[in-house]
Amino acid sequence: NAGVTQTPKFQVLKTGQSMTLQCAQDMNHEYMSWYRQDPGMGLRLIHYSVGAGITDQGEVPNGYNVSRSTTEDFPLRLLSAAPSQTSVYFCASSYSTGGTYGYTFGSGTRLTVV
Amino acid sequence: KQEVTQIPAALSVPEGENLVLNCSFTDSAIYNLQWFRQDPGKGLTSLLLIQSSQREQTSGRLNASLDKSSGRSTLYIAASQPGDSATYLCAVSLPSSEKLVFGKGTKLTVNP
Repeated sequence: NAGVTQTPKFQVLKTGQSMTLQCAQDMNHEYMSWYRQDPGMGLRLIHYSVGAGITDQGEVPNGYNVSRSTTEDFPLRLLSAAPSQTSVYFCASSYSTGGTYGYTFGSGTRLTVV
Repeated sequence: KQEVTQIPAALSVPEGENLVLNCSFTDSAIYNLQWFRQDPGKGLTSLLLIQSSQREQTSGRLNASLDKSSGRSTLYIAASQPGDSATYLCAVSLPSSEKLVFGKGTKLTVNP
């Protein structure tokens, strides 16, 4: 039972480069979301999805795109990386709305933009 | 706007001590509350989930309580061990929303 898998674990980008952070879950959860964690700021919601084909913005969506073509996968795309996007990114999934049965988090991707 | 506060920001205790971590939230209209543990450089591990209709949950040496009316939750750790050293995060989920609102965490150090 893998749970929520994030790849890569570490990444260094140059300003202006693009990349995709991968997130996959094998628990058949409908709800998936992306958070970023910054020192002194806590975790903040970037984007979320309530099911395949449906996505919505969270608290800090600028500079990020998402899509949800399957139940299992929810990739996060950085179109043109900026130093302000240096952070640790976490993907989470939940079985039902509002996290009725709680949220499961991946192990994170540590991104540095230089 | 829902805000979650955790006090203290850091706590250092000797091994064997019982301790309480505090979490408060500004809006009592929550769906549930979840406590997580985060080890340095690692992801979040779920410890306890309390539904809005519940008052407490227990798992081993951990006990979490919820008082919605006062906007407070506590995480009680009995007989603390050095392996309990980590950052503990409190998060509330909102009705009709997929957003989790997190506190900034309490960094716990248990000294041998």
